[in-house]
Amino acid sequence: QVELVQSGAEVKKPGASVKVSCKASGYSLTSHDINWVRQATGQGLEWMGWMNPNSGNTGYAQKFQGRVTMTRNSSTTTAYLEISSLRSEDTAVYYCARAGYSSGWPVIEYWGQGTLVTVSS
Amino acid sequence: DIQMTQSPSSLSASVGDRVTITCRAGHTISTYLNWYQQKPGKAPRLLIYAASGLQSGVPSRFSGSGSGTYFTLTINNLQPEDFATYYCQQSYSFPRTFGQGTKVEI
Repeated sequence: QVELVQSGAEVKKPGASVKVSCKASGYSLTSHDINWVRQATGQGLEWMGWMNPNSGNTGYAQKFQGRVTMTRNSSTTTAYLEISSLRSEDTAVYYCARAGYSSGWPVIEYWGQGTLVTVSS
Repeated sequence: DIQMTQSPSSLSASVGDRVTITCRAGHTISTYLNWYQQKPGKAPRLLIYAASGLQSGVPSRFSGSGSGTYFTLTINNLQPEDFATYYCQQSYSFPRTFGQGTKVEI
């Protein structure tokens, strides 16, 4: 079965960087795009961007461009989200999620369990 | 970016009720509209795709409708496990924007 397992919680100081991992199993990582979505405590879902693990192509929401990098290691079937210049507003749960198609329509089908990133001095 | 606006932000309901949540898109998106359910501390779960398609494994009491800029999610015969937050999301273009969520409470 498809499973996305994310790395554990992180605590970082403002200005630092963080790298969250997302290990895929039950399917080939390179066959489906990976999306990253974040959720601040008590807030809604915020879509950050996508990565094609086959080509390495990425697309980021404008809000995150220049500060977010999505990468992958195909040999370890792991996708990564790196955020630099962290600020307190980046405190959130970060989800990786596998894009797919239901009857030909684009959806986000499978989600990781989430990784809490706390930014605090 | 396509803005997605849900209403209401929250609602109170009882077991057995029929509940309707509305989602409006800031730009026409045909039927590229998905609905997700999220429970506290859990990742979202896909319920409805393409505005009205029921995802495999989702109970038939959930239904969706709409096209263009106006969409609805209806839950018939509300069950205790349906108390959660519901999000719409457009898959018409990037960025894949979400609505702000609707919390269904007892």
